[in-house]
Amino acid sequence: GAVVSQHPSRVICKSGTSVKIECRSLDFQATTMFWYRQFPKQSLMLMATSNEGSKATYEQGVEKDKFLINHASLTLSTLTVTSAHPEDSSFYICSATGERESQPQHFGDGTRLSIL
Amino acid sequence: GDSVTQMEGPVTLSEEAFLTINCTYTATGYPSLFWYVQYPGEGLQLLLKATKADDKGSNKGFEATYRKETTSFHLEKGSVQVSDSAVYFCALSVWNTGNQFYFGTGTSLTVIP
Repeated sequence: GAVVSQHPSRVICKSGTSVKIECRSLDFQATTMFWYRQFPKQSLMLMATSNEGSKATYEQGVEKDKFLINHASLTLSTLTVTSAHPEDSSFYICSATGERESQPQHFGDGTRLSIL
Repeated sequence: GDSVTQMEGPVTLSEEAFLTINCTYTATGYPSLFWYVQYPGEGLQLLLKATKADDKGSNKGFEATYRKETTSFHLEKGSVQVSDSAVYFCALSVWNTGNQFYFGTGTSLTVIP
């Protein structure tokens, strides 16, 4: 079945560091990729939607200068958390879907980000 | 607007008990419906889906039937196992909104031996 690879799975770094998370679709062309944030024991919070070759659409309350998203190809999207602070610590999950109607989202395994 | 309402948890069941997790939806178009499962520390995995009314999605003993008349997509399993302990998310997508997905809040299931 479809596979989405997310890397790294865990990051621990100092406050002020920028962190890049990659999301790759391994066996299908992902016309749309989504980035979510999940707090402990809570549901997914959609941060942004990115379509290949165009600017990401951010949800209300999500700082686009803080969370930079690039979707340069049909198989790769990146999320960069710039100048990360402890409050940015969270579980970040990407997902990807193709252009066919009714196609499900396929999720990466998530990235646990811990800012010290 | 489009949305999903999911039964709140947490749910605790004994092994081999019957499981139902309720999910209802609101959609302006003709949605596809999904159930995802999230095991601790992992991302979400697609469990099953249904793309039109009266379709039944099934996988790993779980079933859900797309009921247009009641706008529901309840998840059921006849006999749960300890390994089914996870968080379950109901979701819908509507094609004419660019395949945007809407997720429920998730229901945590714990199965005890």
